[in-house]
Amino acid sequence: AQSVTQLGSHVSVSEGALVLLRCNYSSSVPPYLFWYVQYPNQGLQLLLKYTSAATLVKGINGFEAEFKKSETSFHLTKPSAHMSDAAEYFCAVSPQDTGFQKLVFGTGTRLLVSP
Amino acid sequence: DGGITQSPKYLFRKEGQNVTLSCEQNLNHDAMYWYRQDPGQGLRLIYYSQIVNDFQKGDIAEGYSVSREKKESFPLTVTSAQKNPTAFYLCASSIVNSYNQPQHFGDGTRLSIL
Repeated sequence: AQSVTQLGSHVSVSEGALVLLRCNYSSSVPPYLFWYVQYPNQGLQLLLKYTSAATLVKGINGFEAEFKKSETSFHLTKPSAHMSDAAEYFCAVSPQDTGFQKLVFGTGTRLLVSP
Repeated sequence: DGGITQSPKYLFRKEGQNVTLSCEQNLNHDAMYWYRQDPGQGLRLIYYSQIVNDFQKGDIAEGYSVSREKKESFPLTVTSAQKNPTAFYLCASSIVNSYNQPQHFGDGTRLSIL
């Protein structure tokens, strides 16, 4: 079964510092990958998606992620953190062998941004 | 603007009571999903539907039921058989059988036990 591992349930950065949120997936066939952001008491908002067109994917709010097949990773980065980036981030994989679009989510990483 | 509307935002359940969470979408999506979110566990799939009048169990369907009588609507009932219903419930929709398209989410319903 496909799975997603997000290392670190909490990540703390200072405003202006680099943001790096890690995501590794397990799959024999490269799946489609997504990053979502969730603000408190809200639903999930799509940040970006990997669909095999390009390995470096740019998303909203200055975030980007790089797909590395050799490392089975899809880490999310942002060069300079803003206070407004404080939220929970979820990596998800969409396997292509389930008969429907089943998203398998990681357990999430809460990003804390300090002034 | 198109989107997904979930109601109510907060819901309280008494012992032995069934409660129904509403989910409506105007994105013209065929596929709809219900997820349960618990702290530290990510999102887990309860039920999904790819077409009107058809739905399938997800990974944690016990104690829940759904219906899909209209394309726009996919209500979730949390029955008294669900012994630990306290969670944040999220509804989503997507283009059917399109693995590279994202799911769109509502703003959730938080269910608590009285």
